[in-house]
Amino acid sequence: RKEVEQDPGPFNVPEGATVAFNCTYSNSASQSFFWYRQDCRKEPKLLMSVYSSGNEDGRFTAQLNRASQYISLLIRDSKLSDSATYLCVVNSGGATNKLIFGTGTLLAVQP
Amino acid sequence: DAGVTQSPTHLIKTRGQQVTLRCSPISGHKSVSWYQQVLGQGPQFIFQYYEKEERGRGNFPDRFSARQFPNYSSELNVNALLLGDSALYLCASSLPGTLNTGELFFGEGSRLTVL
Repeated sequence: RKEVEQDPGPFNVPEGATVAFNCTYSNSASQSFFWYRQDCRKEPKLLMSVYSSGNEDGRFTAQLNRASQYISLLIRDSKLSDSATYLCVVNSGGATNKLIFGTGTLLAVQP
Repeated sequence: DAGVTQSPTHLIKTRGQQVTLRCSPISGHKSVSWYQQVLGQGPQFIFQYYEKEERGRGNFPDRFSARQFPNYSSELNVNALLLGDSALYLCASSLPGTLNTGELFFGEGSRLTVL
């Protein structure tokens, strides 16, 4: 089983739509969770952290369910510029403290 | 301020050759991580270095090695290249203690093609 699993998509949605991505992780000891965004042929960039209580940044809402080891990202009022791959990321914890990336979910927002 | 810089940006090698990739972190960042991203996949952790010491190693063969220099720049070496090593190699830098905040700053990567 992969440490971080995501639906690769693609998700094709019209402008203005609401879209949700899900992610599951296998290591129950993981403590920190994030969403990164990667544009085509570019480097990944941190989009937002994910907190247990859920958190919002403008049109983006992230949720964490530790019991189910499940993370989600909701994007409201999709813009063309939201088209990208969204990577679910989990901090492995421990001495190495490395970030583990999911495969990514491709979002294509259509005009 | 300059971000993370990597070189070369693109390179083509043949099977069995060796390659060295270079990375300069953001000024003030002492931690460097290397990731391999195969087309259609997320980045896979290879190494992490902090203060010139290896702090973590991913599930990669011994053909992969790295080091960090006193100025915190880093090199990734891959020997005996295989076709499957074709990928985007990403370097990321971070401040100490910030991995819990997820703040890895990536360079644009070195795109390696093995023929």
